[in-house]
This record gives sequence, structure tokens and C-alpha cells, in this order.
Amino acid sequence: KAGVTQTPRYLIKTRGQQVTLSCSPISGHRSVSWYQQTPGQGLQFLFEYFSETQRNKGNFPGRFSGRQFSNSRSEMNVSTLELGDSALYLCASSSDSYSGNTIYFGEGSWLTVV
Amino acid sequence: AQTVTQSQPEMSVQEAETVTLSCTYDTSESDYYLFWYKQPPSRQMILVIRQEAYKQQNATENRFSVNFQKAAKSFSLKISDSQLGDAAMYFCAYKEGSSGGSNYKLTFGKGTLLTVNP
Repeated sequence: KAGVTQTPRYLIKTRGQQVTLSCSPISGHRSVSWYQQTPGQGLQFLFEYFSETQRNKGNFPGRFSGRQFSNSRSEMNVSTLELGDSALYLCASSSDSYSGNTIYFGEGSWLTVV
Repeated sequence: AQTVTQSQPEMSVQEAETVTLSCTYDTSESDYYLFWYKQPPSRQMILVIRQEAYKQQNATENRFSVNFQKAAKSFSLKISDSQLGDAAMYFCAYKEGSSGGSNYKLTFGKGTLLTVNP
């Protein structure tokens, strides 16, 4: 069974540009969540989607957005990039069949903003 | 808001020895789950062990075990017979068990960098 797949793995963007990251969850998982990891702030929750609906959102500005498709694949978008957006972005999926389901992570997308 | 605290930024252990990583958390909920994740240099978060708050028995996965003290809100990870491959950043994480928005996210500690010396 394939794990959580994130693309691209590495990317470099310029300030002011926008970026879209993609995530394919484990087959059968309908919950997809996104996290930002930086040395200073650690791991922070961005948002979570289930059946194409955002159920929870972290404390991030509106420049950070996401969506989920009918096949459970998810994308997150960051507009008007700032230097501080440089981070590892981790996608995670869960079957969500009950509240204690384990959350499994992908290998992440490294974003560098220059 | 729930918080997770890992008071040891770095720890080291000799190969084959035992090491314990500490984690405390703060919550007013009674139904929740606790996890330890390992993040090696590849940066992929790998689940090490999980604990349901309603279970009194401490979880065990091979060389990994936890000491879950619910009243003290403490959740430490013990690694026995440490191996070189155990070297990684270890994160303690909390997830609510009740229905509602907070159920769908993990709250992480800052992590403990574990070094294993040969």
C-alpha cells in the first residue's frame, strides 16, 4: 500500500510569487491535513479536509489556502510568498473511521522563498 | 488550548543502552490520544507508538514503550537496546478524541534530538 505522496519535493520561489503543493493520501483515507515545519515555530497545523470540506483551520493568514478533490487528493496554495514561508510542508492522511485513527505523514515538500 | 512540552532539546545514548524522552501536556479534555513520532534526516514523520488516554495499560511496540501518567499529564518514551538507526528527532503529539474541529489535528511538542553513540 503506497504511503502519502507529496509533490514537488523541493522548490524555490521568489518573494511575491505563489506556490501550489500537492498531496495524495493513502488509498482509502479521506482525511488530509497539512502542517508547516520551521526551525523557529516547530510543527504547526495549517488545515484539514474531509470529503472536500475544510473542517479545521490553524492560525495562518489567508494567503494560505487549500482544497480537496473528490478522489481525496489535496492541494495547498500559498499566495504572495514571503521569506518567512520558507519551510517544510508536511501532508498527512487518516482514514477517520474513528477519532483515534493514526495520522500518517508524507515526506514533505521543501519550499525555499528567495 | 492544548500544549505539549518536551523539556529536553537534545539527548544522547550509547548503543544498546536505554534512554527515556520526556513529554508533558496540558488539556482539559478526558478523551484524547498521544503519539510519539520519529523524524530522521529524511524528514518523514514516522509513527513510533500511540496511547489512548482511556487505557491504563502503557503501550509497547518492540523496543519502544511509554510511561503514561494521566493524572500528571506525562507521556514519556523509553527506547531499550538503542540502535544507531534510532538517531532522529522525536516529537510528542496530542490529538483530541471528542468530535469537533480539534479532533482533526495534532499538536506537537518542539522535539528532542536523539543521538546514538556507537
